[in-house]
This record gives sequence, C-alpha cells and structure tokens, in this order.
Amino acid sequence: GQQVMQIPQYQHVQEGEDFTTYCNSSTTLSNIQWYKQRPGGHPVFLIQLVKSGEVKKQKRLTFQFGEAKKNSSLHITATQTTDVGTYFCAARSYNTDKLIFGTGTRLQVFP
Amino acid sequence: DAMVIQNPRYQVTQFGKPVTLSCSQTLNHNVMYWYQQKSSQAPKLLFHYYDKDFNNEADTPDNFQSRRPNTSFCFLDIRSPGLGDAAMYLCATSEQGEVYYEQYFGPGTRLTVT
Repeated sequence: GQQVMQIPQYQHVQEGEDFTTYCNSSTTLSNIQWYKQRPGGHPVFLIQLVKSGEVKKQKRLTFQFGEAKKNSSLHITATQTTDVGTYFCAARSYNTDKLIFGTGTRLQVFP
Repeated sequence: DAMVIQNPRYQVTQFGKPVTLSCSQTLNHNVMYWYQQKSSQAPKLLFHYYDKDFNNEADTPDNFQSRRPNTSFCFLDIRSPGLGDAAMYLCATSEQGEVYYEQYFGPGTRLTVT
C-alpha cells in the first residue's frame, strides 16, 4: 500500500536556525497537505499543494511540491520557540483518493 | 466560532467495557472522520462518513463501530476495549466535493483502558 515517510524523525535546533522536513511518497500524489500538532494538541491545517513544482509561502514557512508530485518539503526560516511541535504531511494519491498521514517530524527549538 | 467538539476529553474505561466517544461540528461539513493516534505516531484513519455513506478502513478492527445520526454528530463505539486501544481519538471534518479541502480536527478524547 501507499507509504508516506518523513525525515528527519526528530530535529532539535537553536532558536534562529532554519529547519526543513521532507516528505516522500511511494506513489504519485494528487495533492499534499501539511499539518502542525503542538505538544498535547490536535493537528492544525497549514497548507495544501496541488500543482507540480508548486511553492507557497506563509511568513517564515515555505512549502514545496516536487516536480514528480511524489515528494514535498516544509522549510522554516529563523525558527522561534512557537514553532515547536510535530509537522505532518498528509498525502492523497490518484490511486486510492485517501489522505495518508506521513510519519511526522518532531521539532524542538531551544531558546 | 464554528468548530469541532469532542466529548469527553478524557475517558477511562475498564478492559472489555463498551465505551462511546462523541463528536459534533458546527461547520456543516459533509465528511466526518475518526482517527486513532498513539503516542509519537501519526493519526491513523479508522473510518469516515461521506454524508451518510460509511467508509471503513480495511485494517480497522471489528471492535470499532461508528454512527452518524445526522450531519452534526458522529459517534465512535468501542465494543470491547483492550489495553491496545488506549490512545487519543481524533474526530475531524472536511467539506468534499470535486475539490478536496483541509480537515478540521477536534481536541481529541484520550482513552485510558484499565
């Protein structure tokens, strides 16, 4: 079945450093969504990418969808302590039409 | 504010004792989902309703059932909880037509099985 892997599993950074998480699918995707889950909280939608090669920005966050629509990345510039949490990609393939959550990357930011 | 509400937030049940978790929404979305999330893992989809149509995931145990009596409410029934069913249960909603939209999650119900 479809697998959605994220790397790294954990990332510890100093406040002000950049952070990137990568999401890779075994199948071609129709779209991909990104969610953030704070410790003890629930997933909160960040963005959806649909087009091949699409790049979207939200303040310090940059999201990219790969040209082959099999991978995606989330980059945070100059991390802040408020960025702490687990970032999940959630991928939908043409085959199944289901939204599959990636394995997640837990970000810890030290002040 | 429109939102997704889950009750209770914390539920303790005994091994084998049936339990029901509830979810309600004021978003008027046509799709409602139930996810199971264990510690440090991704949410795992159990089933979802597209309007009144029930869609079960192939690997969801028979022990888990769901009801959606109307657009606003959805229930998760665990008929005979085992220790392995202890987890956070997340309800989510979305609007779905020709385009897929984002999912709105409730705060979750943390289930403990003793």
